Amino acid sequence: GQNIDQPTEMTATEGAIVQINCTYQTSGFNGLFWYQQHAGEAPTFLSYNVLDGLEEKGRFSSFLSRSKGYSYLLLKELQMKDSASYLCAVSDSNYQLIWGAGTKLIIKP
Amino acid sequence: ETGVTQTPRHLVMGMTNKKSLKCEQHLGHNAMYWYKQSAKKPLELMFVYSLEERVENNSVPSRFSPECPNSSHLFLHLHTLQPEDSALYLCASSQDRAESSGNTIYFGEGSWLTVV
Repeated sequence: GQNIDQPTEMTATEGAIVQINCTYQTSGFNGLFWYQQHAGEAPTFLSYNVLDGLEEKGRFSSFLSRSKGYSYLLLKELQMKDSASYLCAVSDSNYQLIWGAGTKLIIKP
Repeated sequence: ETGVTQTPRHLVMGMTNKKSLKCEQHLGHNAMYWYKQSAKKPLELMFVYSLEERVENNSVPSRFSPECPNSSHLFLHLHTLQPEDSALYLCASSQDRAESSGNTIYFGEGSWLTVV
C-alpha cells in the first residue's frame, strides 16, 4: 500500500530551527509537496520538490532524497506565527496526491 | 484569501436532513476537488472534476452527491448522513487535473460539518 509518515506533533522555541521529516512509500513518484495549515484555515502551498536536493525559499527550505523516500521541511528563525500543521503529500505514478496526517508544530516563546 | 471560497463555514445537521456545501473558485482553474479532513488523519480525496466532468470517485458513500454545474462552481449535496461523517470538508482547485509542479492545489478554508 501507499504510505506517508510524519511525526504527529513537534515543539520548538521561537527563534530556533526545526526540521519536520516525511518518509514515503508510493507507487511511483511525481513530486512531493509541503503545505501549511493554520488552525481553522485553508492549507496553503509551501514547496514542491521533484529532484533530489534542497530548495530554499526564505526562512523555509525543503529537501528531497528519492532513493531514500525521504523529505524534510526546515524552518529557520521560528516565529510564533509558524505554529501550524505541516502536511506532506506525494504525487504518485497516476498523479494522485497521497497525503500524510500532518505534523502539528507548537512554537513556545 | 486563496481564491477558493466555501459556504457555509459551519453546518450542524441532523441525520435526516438534506443540506449542500458550496464552493466557488476565482482562479480560472479547470479541476476542482472535494476532500474530507478528520482529526489526525490524512486528507481523503472524495471527488475530482476536470472540465466539469467527474473523473474520480474514491468509493464515497452515496449519501454524498457532488455536482459541478460549471468550471467555477462545485457543490456537495448531503443527505441522511451519519455522525462519523462529521469532519472538515475542503474544496480545492488546480489549473489542470495532474498534480505536477504547475498544478499546485489551492484550498478553500473548509466547511465544518457536525452531524447530530
